[in-house]
Amino acid sequence: EIVLTQSPATLSLSPGERATLSCRANQSFTGYLAWYHQKPGQAPRLLIYDASKRATGIPARFSGSGSGTDFTLTISSLEPEDFAVYYCQQRSSWPLTFGQGTRLEIK
Amino acid sequence: QVTLRESGPALVKPTQTLTLTCTFSGFSLSTSGMCVSWIRQPPGKALEWLALIDWDDDKYYSTSLKTRLTISKDTSKNQVVLIMTNMDPVDTGTYYCARSAGDYVWYFDLWGRGTLVTVSS
Repeated sequence: EIVLTQSPATLSLSPGERATLSCRANQSFTGYLAWYHQKPGQAPRLLIYDASKRATGIPARFSGSGSGTDFTLTISSLEPEDFAVYYCQQRSSWPLTFGQGTRLEIK
Repeated sequence: QVTLRESGPALVKPTQTLTLTCTFSGFSLSTSGMCVSWIRQPPGKALEWLALIDWDDDKYYSTSLKTRLTISKDTSKNQVVLIMTNMDPVDTGTYYCARSAGDYVWYFDLWGRGTLVTVSS
């Protein structure tokens, strides 16, 4: 089973700043990784898939990169609505797995 | 408009069996590439994928829970059902159904609102 570890657990930043979130796997896999964010009381929303492709309707300030065991989500300039919990998810092998999440909070 | 909605009991007792239904609209689970998954989230904790069924009736399960889970579909009713046996308080959480389709192979592009299930005597 591919275990995904996200860091940091909590990231405190201000609007307008750049956010960098990490997702590391316990084994190397092809770039079949997605990123979601989840706001309180809501279902998650797909942001990035296949490591670097933006899902429909996702703003260009969100970008993804990485391969092998290390993947990164970057938000170039934080908007107030970006403060949420972020999860990575792999689909490279069964079972599908999620990371434990990074909470992005307003500083 | 594509929607998914979860339904089922809000409260179950330990050792009981949970049956959840995902009713969807705006797409067909008989369309090639279409899948529906169940994903859960304990209060304040991370997402956990449970099971997936695809258009061809292939089924995949969480390794740790596979002995307790059964997923099935009724294409004519646009429904996917999850059965989880031997419920325990640690199974308390919000249960979501979510779709995978098109380019989003085994990713989740659309989610229901979730249904909160509490396991308590």
